[in-house]
Amino acid sequence: GAVVSQHPSWVICKSGTSVKIECRSLDFQATTMFWYRQFPKQSLMLMATSNEGSKATYEQGVEKDKFLINHASLTLSTLTVTSAHPEDSSFYICSARGTSGTNQYFGPGTRLLVL
Amino acid sequence: ILNVEQSPQSLHVQEGDSTNFTCSFPSSNFYALHWYRWETAKSPEALFVMTLNGDEKKKGRISATLNTKEGYSYLYIKGSQPEDSATYLCASREGGYQKVTFGTGTKLQVIP
Repeated sequence: GAVVSQHPSWVICKSGTSVKIECRSLDFQATTMFWYRQFPKQSLMLMATSNEGSKATYEQGVEKDKFLINHASLTLSTLTVTSAHPEDSSFYICSARGTSGTNQYFGPGTRLLVL
Repeated sequence: ILNVEQSPQSLHVQEGDSTNFTCSFPSSNFYALHWYRWETAKSPEALFVMTLNGDEKKKGRISATLNTKEGYSYLYIKGSQPEDSATYLCASREGGYQKVTFGTGTKLQVIP
């Protein structure tokens, strides 16, 4: 199957700092990328959907000024958690969908801990 | 907002046993049902995408069925092996929307 990488795999930061997470599709062009967050014992919750070259569409309750998403190319999307606080500590995972539009391929996720 | 539910939340089976678990989803405006296999510290791996009522798909010892009228899908594993231990996620996609909604998963542990 297609490969999606995510970096970093884990990050620990101080409260108030910003953290950038990268999601790359390595062997296909990702026209659409999705960012999810998962809290313990809960399902993957969609945060936002981004189409290459367009502004991201955020789900209800997700602050677009806090979670900045950039999808500047067909192989790269970034999520920046601005002024992170302990309540932002979570598991963030991206997925990418190509032009075929059927399957979504996931990255391995990033575990964020904000102290 | 879709409500996708999976059961059981977790189960333990002996190596060689067959097992199955359930994903239920709203049947109205259905578009597609996805199954993923998610091993710890790895990316979720796509197993199946099913769209048609009555669909049956198979991949090795793993198979899945789909009933879109009543809103459920079953995942079957025949002759479970320790390497089948993982969390199995299902996700449903509504027509006209790009996003999929995930269930909380079924965590399978196969005991050697």
